[in-house]
Amino acid sequence: QQPVQSPQAVILREGEDAVINCSSSKALYSVHWYRQKHGEAPVFLMILLKGGEQKGHEKISASFNEKKQQSSLYLTASQLSYSGTYFCGTEPYDYKLSFGAGTTVTVRA
Amino acid sequence: NAGVTQTPKFQVLKTGQSMTLQCAQDMNHNSMYWYRQDPGMGLRLIYYSASEGTTDKGEVPNGYNVSRLNKREFSLRLESAAPSQTSVYFCASSDQGEQYFGPGTRLTVT
Repeated sequence: QQPVQSPQAVILREGEDAVINCSSSKALYSVHWYRQKHGEAPVFLMILLKGGEQKGHEKISASFNEKKQQSSLYLTASQLSYSGTYFCGTEPYDYKLSFGAGTTVTVRA
Repeated sequence: NAGVTQTPKFQVLKTGQSMTLQCAQDMNHNSMYWYRQDPGMGLRLIYYSASEGTTDKGEVPNGYNVSRLNKREFSLRLESAAPSQTSVYFCASSDQGEQYFGPGTRLTVT
């Protein structure tokens, strides 16, 4: 079953922050985050393995609440290059990764 | 080091025709995957192979077959294409969780 992502879309001005949420109905082993630019393949951002773990990539960070089966991706001081569609991938203990429908982020100058 | 390569990049088929999408990786990864991506649906797993010689169904396997030819290559076959299989197909490989995606094949079935 696919995880649920919110919001579906967000528009930012350069320098603004945003949060993308991802929730699953299953107990999770890990959460993955990917970014896809239009017409390109998804690119790995980070993987979170433990409850409450946080990781960062440039000014993009994420948290994983294992008990709530939720993860959030934080875009801080957004740049034009952050535009794209962000997908969370949730991996239950059967180790089959399922992706959410995506959140389209548009960063404007 | 090419990463994950896919052929062809574009394909148009008529309903009922068959074809095979090819995927190869040069990163010595054990696991390989086939996804389809439709607008508003994200990526859906069709089949995956955890290691050479094994394959398993994903979320949407109906109408597809796969072959893990060796550690490098993982092909996806459409035996009798249907308009509902119009999509962008991505192959991916992984070793320690992180998945590396190929450039995709845009398939249209008329």
